[in-house]
Amino acid sequence: AQSVTQLDSQVPVFEEAPVELRCNYSSSVSVYLFWYVQYPNQGLQLLLKYLSGSTLVESINGFEAEFNKSQTSFHLRKPSVHISDTAEYFCAVGTSGTYKYIFGTGTRLKVLA
Amino acid sequence: DVKVTQSSRYLVKRTGEKVFLECVQDMDHENMFWYRQDPGLGLRLIYFSYDVKMKEKGDIPEGYSVSREKKERFSLILESASTNQTSMYLCASSFRRQGQPQHFGDGTRLSIL
Repeated sequence: AQSVTQLDSQVPVFEEAPVELRCNYSSSVSVYLFWYVQYPNQGLQLLLKYLSGSTLVESINGFEAEFNKSQTSFHLRKPSVHISDTAEYFCAVGTSGTYKYIFGTGTRLKVLA
Repeated sequence: DVKVTQSSRYLVKRTGEKVFLECVQDMDHENMFWYRQDPGLGLRLIYFSYDVKMKEKGDIPEGYSVSREKKERFSLILESASTNQTSMYLCASSFRRQGQPQHFGDGTRLSIL
């Protein structure tokens, strides 16, 4: 069965510092991978996705994630965070043959001034 | 832009009441989903629908039912509300193609007293 593990429930980081939010998945078949962001009192917004092709995917606001098949990971990184990046981030995985995705338990990123 | 609209942002109901949560999407998506979100547990799938009048149980369907009479509308029904159903409920929709991201509404925070 598929599963998604987000290893850190909370990550505090100072403004302008780099950050990495970790996501590992288990699946024996081809996967689709997603990162979503949730700001307070809002729903989830798609940040970026990996379907196939280049293993490095980028979002418009400076985040990037790298698909690593051998380590079954899809970690999210940003070289310099802003206060406005404070939010909860969810990793999700889907596999061919189903439209249902499995979501991780989320990582709360808190950017400190 | 995709718009997924949930009828209420906040709802307070009493134990034993029948509760209806409504969700409407405007992008002609075939798939629609209902999740509940609880701290530390991430998103858990309650039900999903891949076509009008079609539904499939998710991971935690007990105590819930759904209705999809029209393509754009997906309703979640709590047959007899209980305090352990106090939660954030999120609706999502997607195209019925592999690797399509799910688009989320802003959520309904439901309190059962």
